[in-house]
Amino acid sequence: EIVLTQSPGTLSLSPGERATLSCRASQNIGSSYLAWYQQKPGQAPRLLIYGASSRATGIPDRFSASGSGTDFTLTISRLEPEDFAVYYCQQYGTSPWYTFGQGTKLEIK
Amino acid sequence: QVQLVESGGGVVQPGRSLRLSCAASGFTFNTYAMHWVRQAPGKGLEWVAVISYDVSNKYYADSVKGRFTISRDNSKNALYLHMNTLRTEDTAVYYCARGRRLLRDFDYWGQGTLVTVSS
Repeated sequence: EIVLTQSPGTLSLSPGERATLSCRASQNIGSSYLAWYQQKPGQAPRLLIYGASSRATGIPDRFSASGSGTDFTLTISRLEPEDFAVYYCQQYGTSPWYTFGQGTKLEIK
Repeated sequence: QVQLVESGGGVVQPGRSLRLSCAASGFTFNTYAMHWVRQAPGKGLEWVAVISYDVSNKYYADSVKGRFTISRDNSKNALYLHMNTLRTEDTAVYYCARGRRLLRDFDYWGQGTLVTVSS
């Protein structure tokens, strides 16, 4: 079973700052099937990034992502107030097919 | 626009059953795989089950295998999750989500329906 470990658990930053979130896989997962989601309180998750580095439709270009193999990064270049949320990475592989990281909470400092 | 609307959640006793529904609109339902993903209160996301666009394949998380059954009715643009032998640890918000076959991600999500398993 592939485990995704996100770090840090909580990231405290101010609007305008740069955020760097990490997702590490317990095994090599390539890059094709790594996605990132944003979830705000009381809302459903929203797809941000697919294929490790491609922005989903309507996602601002301040969001970028990179990585392959076991190490993946989501970067928000200049934080806007609406970016403070929980972020999850997700991968597809063999059983249990789809797994999520435990999440990184991005909070206002 | 794509819309996914879940229903059927509620409070149920341990050992009992419940059926969740997801009504889909705004896209060609019978060309997409569909998933259920859940989130326990204050916890992260857990994938539950997937059904292929043509019903030919179904896969489940180990935590629900043998107790939950995913199904769909393409004539009604509807997705279902039949949950049997419910446990307290099944308490969660259940989301239906559209799956993209080539990218293996979830590009649209419903708003979720809360299932509470409690005596």
